[in-house]
Amino acid sequence: GAVVSQHPSWVICKSGTSVKIECRSLDFQATTMFWYRQFPKQSLMLMATSNEGSKATYEQGVEKDKFLINHASLTLSTLTVTSAHPEDSSFYICSARRGGHEQYFGPGTRLTVT
Amino acid sequence: EDQVTQSPEALRLQEGESSSLNCSYTVSGLRGLFWYRQDPGKGPEFLFTLYSAGEEKEKERLKATLTKKESFLHITAPKPEDSATYLCAVSSDSWGKLQFGAGTQVVVTP
Repeated sequence: GAVVSQHPSWVICKSGTSVKIECRSLDFQATTMFWYRQFPKQSLMLMATSNEGSKATYEQGVEKDKFLINHASLTLSTLTVTSAHPEDSSFYICSARRGGHEQYFGPGTRLTVT
Repeated sequence: EDQVTQSPEALRLQEGESSSLNCSYTVSGLRGLFWYRQDPGKGPEFLFTLYSAGEEKEKERLKATLTKKESFLHITAPKPEDSATYLCAVSSDSWGKLQFGAGTQVVVTP
């Protein structure tokens, strides 16, 4: 159990366009979902925390208007990168918390902005 | 502010050569210490949660231990498939937010 999926696994978009990434917990209901960003050879950086039906809480330095998070249900959260620029290119990973403190991670989405 | 420091940054082992990875942490009110394994281009895979000093957990060739200031991940008789980056993280708030260390990249050669 504790499977988390992400879609798409990779995406290429043009500068100025928006991209939506979906995160689903497949076999459990997630009390909380998290979005991370990871640069090459670096560790995970938490971007935001989201709970179903409420506004996401963003970490310091993360632009909430650029990275829109919607937590539509206990099994689905989406991250929309608005007006993407090349510096937004990165590996985005979501995770879901089942009830304890463990987080289960999705496989990640590689975003390339050209 | 929570801090997590992992050492070494990289570790190269011969198959069968046991070793330990270190995770030192500073946190106000530890709610859990977590170990994950991450393969290139993939999301982290959950390994262990430790909650209090003295606790130990094992899974196949891996054993995690916890003291009040650090955690160790022991790899016994590693195999090439144990090659990965091992991440340590701590949680100190009710939301379960994780603070990650930089990771230890382990390479096991046949």
